[in-house]
Amino acid sequence: DGGITQSPKYLFRKEGQNVTLSCEQNLNHDAMYWYRQDPGQGLRLIYYSQIVNDFQKGDIAEGYSVSREKKESFPLTVTSAQKNPTAFYLCASSYRFPEPQHFGDGTRLSIL
Amino acid sequence: GEDVEQSLFLSVREGDSSVINCTYTDSSSTYLYWYKQEPGAGLQLLTYIFSNMDMKQDQRLTVLLNKKDKHLSLRIADTQTGDSAIYFCASEEGTGRRALTFGSGTRLQVQP
Repeated sequence: DGGITQSPKYLFRKEGQNVTLSCEQNLNHDAMYWYRQDPGQGLRLIYYSQIVNDFQKGDIAEGYSVSREKKESFPLTVTSAQKNPTAFYLCASSYRFPEPQHFGDGTRLSIL
Repeated sequence: GEDVEQSLFLSVREGDSSVINCTYTDSSSTYLYWYKQEPGAGLQLLTYIFSNMDMKQDQRLTVLLNKKDKHLSLRIADTQTGDSAIYFCASEEGTGRRALTFGSGTRLQVQP
């Protein structure tokens, strides 16, 4: 079955620690996206990538980093510089913009 | 930048029709989207409409687009308790950036 897999489902971060959220897709999509969702709010764009080896900052990129070395994978690192990382993180992909984006099941990140 | 607005809450009785409304600001959007989010889950693409269409029907879902007023609506016929969720409207940003802007979501509560 084709889809988007995010792992882990739950993640805990200690002070000063970097953590990496995984996003893998087997839909042969060119574009991939990371969003952050806070309780009761909509989605805010962190980073996006339209093609391998290229990515752009979204609205809230500070304290986050990404890489896009393979078409299938777009990992997100939440660095210690992100002072309020507790949120629900959603990864999405699409064939290309502006075709519909399909979402993974999300990773919930909390602070220990 | 683009702004997408939705009402926060809608309550209907099972079997009634639900109408969720959305307004957007970017008139150049190619596609407009509706997503559904159940608790603790990712976003599920429900339907989308191409900007040269006025209406799109897909089983119980009807999307109406009024480009003049920049108004989008999602009608769910014969609403069921399983339709209880948060519904997000999304449109392209008007900045040239290849990204979507999401509304804050409308929580639909279906009463038995």
